[in-house]
Amino acid sequence: TQLLEQSPQFLSIQEGENLTVYCNSSSVFSSLQWYRQEPGEGPVLLVTVVTGGEVKKLKRLTFQFGDARKDSSLHITAAQPGDTGLYLCAGHTSGTYKYIFGTGTRLKVLA
Amino acid sequence: DSGVTQTPKHLITATGQRVTLRCSPRSGDLSVYWYQQSLDQGLQFLIQYYNGEERAKGNILERFSAQQFPDLHSELNLSSLELGDSALYFCASKFREGHNEQFFGPGTRLTVL
Repeated sequence: TQLLEQSPQFLSIQEGENLTVYCNSSSVFSSLQWYRQEPGEGPVLLVTVVTGGEVKKLKRLTFQFGDARKDSSLHITAAQPGDTGLYLCAGHTSGTYKYIFGTGTRLKVLA
Repeated sequence: DSGVTQTPKHLITATGQRVTLRCSPRSGDLSVYWYQQSLDQGLQFLIQYYNGEERAKGNILERFSAQQFPDLHSELNLSSLELGDSALYFCASKFREGHNEQFFGPGTRLTVL
C-alpha cells in the first residue's frame, strides 16, 4: 500500500514557468522531507517540514506542510533547466520506523 | 558529497549468483537504511539498522539479508539472483531516531544477466 501519492507523475514545462507538485496521504506524518534525485544518483535532501501549516522557502522553491500533517506541496517559481529531476517526498508516519517515499514527480524544464 | 559511501558502484553478475553490497554511513550516524530502485520506479524501502540491530523491515525478499557491523558499516547480501533484481541499490544514513533527514549514498547499480 502506497501511503504517499504524488501528483503530477510527469511534468514538462518551459523555462520561466511556475509549477506545483503535491504529496498526499491519508496518514499523519511526524515530518516530511522533500528530495531531488538526478539520474543514476542518490536523492539529495532539499527540506524538512515539521509543523502543520509550516512554510519554508529555498530560493525559488516554496514548501508547505498541510495543517493536518497529511499532505505537502512544493512550488517552484520561474523554473530553470537545472530544476530538472525526480522530486520525492518522504517521511515517517507517526509511531513507525518505516520511512516511506512518495511515488515521485519527474520534472523536465525545457530551455 | 553526502558523506555516505557505497561500493561497488557497478556490479554485473549472472542469475543464481550471490553478491554483497557495502555501505559506510556518515561519521557519527547510527542508522542505515537500504532501498531498491528499479528503472523508472520509486524507492522501495528494504530494511533499516540502528546501532547494529535490525529496526524495521520493508519489502525485502527472503533471498536478501543485511547486517550492520560494530563499526556501523552495513552490508546487503543478495542471493539466488534473478533478472528482476537488476536495480539501483541505495543506502542512506541518519544520526538517530527523531532526526528524520536521511543522507543517501551514490548507489550501486546491479545488473543481473
